[in-house]
Formats: sequence, C-alpha cells, structure tokens
Amino acid sequence: NAGVMQNPRHLVRRRGQEARLRCSPMKGHSHVYWYRQLPEEGLKFMVYLQKENIIDESGMPKERFSAEFPKEGPSILRIQQVVRGDSAAYFCASSPSASTGRPYEQYFGPGTRLTVT
Amino acid sequence: AQSVTQLGSHVSVSEGALVLLRCNYSSSVPPYLFWYVQYPNQGLQLLLKYTTGATLVKGINGFEAEFKKSETSFHLTKPSAHMSDAAEYFCAVSANTGNQFYFGTGTSLTVIP
Repeated sequence: NAGVMQNPRHLVRRRGQEARLRCSPMKGHSHVYWYRQLPEEGLKFMVYLQKENIIDESGMPKERFSAEFPKEGPSILRIQQVVRGDSAAYFCASSPSASTGRPYEQYFGPGTRLTVT
Repeated sequence: AQSVTQLGSHVSVSEGALVLLRCNYSSSVPPYLFWYVQYPNQGLQLLLKYTTGATLVKGINGFEAEFKKSETSFHLTKPSAHMSDAAEYFCAVSANTGNQFYFGTGTSLTVIP
C-alpha cells in the first residue's frame, strides 16, 4: 500500500511565477490536509479538504493561495505570484473517513520543498 | 482551541543515555496527542499516539510517552539513546474530530557518541 505521494519533491520558482504542488493520498483515504513548514518552525495547518469540498481553510493566506481536491486525481495546492516568503516545505497528509478507519490518524507525505528565487 | 509547547528546541544526549523530550498541550476538549519524527529532508513519521485508554503508550523504535492530564503533558522518553535517534521530533495535538493538527515548534535531538 503506497503511502502519501507528493510531487515534485523540490520546486524552484522565480518571484511572480505560479507554483503547483500535488498530493495523492493513501489508497482509501478521502481526507487531505496541507501544512507549511517554515525554516526552524513547526508545521502550520493550511487547509483541510475532502473530495470536491473545502472543509476548513482557516490557515490559508487570504490571497494567492488556493487548494482543491477533485473527484478524480490528486489534491493541488496552488500558489500564484510567488514571493520569497513562500519558500518553505509544504506537507500533505491524508486520513481515512470515520466510516472506513480512524479519521484522527494522519499520514504524511515526504513534502515539497519550494524555493523562490 | 488547541496548542502545543515543546520545551527545549535542542536536546543533546550521550549514546545509551535516557532521552526525554517535553511536550505540554492546551486543549478545550479531550485531546488526541501524537509524536512524530522527521529526518532531514523527509516527511513526518508517526512514533506513537494517545487517543483514549491507557495513558502510557508505546511506539516504534523503543519510544514511549505518558499522557498526564493533571499536568497537561505528553513527554516522550526512550531509556537508551541510539545514534539513529538523531532527528527532529514534533509533538502534535488534535481535537477528537479528525481535523487539523496543531504542532509544536519541534525539538532537535543530537546523540553524542
């Protein structure tokens, strides 16, 4: 059973470009979470999605950031017009639904390290 | 609301010595508590978790943690440190509804030969 997959593992963007980060949850998991880790800091929650629905986006910056989890395909975290302060590691986690497992267990992907030059 | 405080951003122990990493939490509801380990340039690996039941939980690699409600603590211990334990350790808390995790700022463990 493959774990949570994230790609790319490393992404370099110039200021003003767009960054797209992809996350494929574990098989059978329908809940996806995105976290951001700044250097020397812990992980900060950004957004929680289920298929085709954003459940909680209280941690998302108000501008330039968006996330989706379509019916088919991976979850996408999109950052428009990137700035140097967006440089960080972005982690995706997934969990099963309450009907299929233990929704409080989150399994993390290896992360995407975004560098903005 | 939930929050986590990890005391000591850097901890050094000698190989074979006791490892103690501290975590205190704040939660308005019964918490679920987790310890994760992160090796350089990798994702987070679950070490152990407390949800309900026995307050002393055992995890992988010889780690264990005890949930102490009266002290709002969930400290991580290992009787004898191994060189391979050198990593970053994160404590996390969530409400028992499966939503977002709140992470501490992490403790970097160094093991001295």
